[in-house]
Amino acid sequence: GDSVTQMEGPVTLSEEAFLTINCTYTATGYPSLFWYVQYPGEGLQLLLKATKADDKGSNKGFEATYRKETTSFHLEKGSVQVSDSAVYFCALRRQAGTALIFGKGTTLSVSS
Amino acid sequence: DGGITQSPKYLFRKEGQNVTLSCEQNLNHDAMYWYRQDPGQGLRLIYYSQIVNDFQKGDIAEGYSVSREKKESFPLTVTSAQKNPTAFYLCASGPRENTGELFFGEGSRLTVL
Repeated sequence: GDSVTQMEGPVTLSEEAFLTINCTYTATGYPSLFWYVQYPGEGLQLLLKATKADDKGSNKGFEATYRKETTSFHLEKGSVQVSDSAVYFCALRRQAGTALIFGKGTTLSVSS
Repeated sequence: DGGITQSPKYLFRKEGQNVTLSCEQNLNHDAMYWYRQDPGQGLRLIYYSQIVNDFQKGDIAEGYSVSREKKESFPLTVTSAQKNPTAFYLCASGPRENTGELFFGEGSRLTVL
């Protein structure tokens, strides 16, 4: 079945460091791909998305490119801040009207 | 303001009791979802509903029940048959025919004593 695999955390970085969180997927067809972020004690918020191959999603300095050849959607940010500390979830949606399938989440901790 | 409201935020129950978690949305979305979140396991789908009076089981439906009598509401009942109910429960909604995002509530944390 469809699935999402994320790198395990926690990821611990100093402020202004470069961030990469790896995400690969298994799915039939052409799924839409998402990154969600969860701040402590809160629900999930959409961070960015891409709906077809080679699309790049971006928001708040974060970027991810939909790579069909490697079935990947890695999240990157050039310079992290303390306020980026959160849990990040990669997700896919195989077709319209179906539920999102999530990875296990990666905890990011940024120190000043 | 438009959004999804989950209640209660924290809930304690004794073993053997059923408990119902509320989820209300005013976004006019057709589809609603319940996920369970456990440490190290990410989010797992319990039930979802794409339209009023219809719902489908997700990956971990055993021990749970839902209803969808109104478009705005999708309550989840955690029954005594659920073996390990202590978890964080997240409700979400989204347009039915869309490849776009889901909107999440702030979650309900259930603890079984």
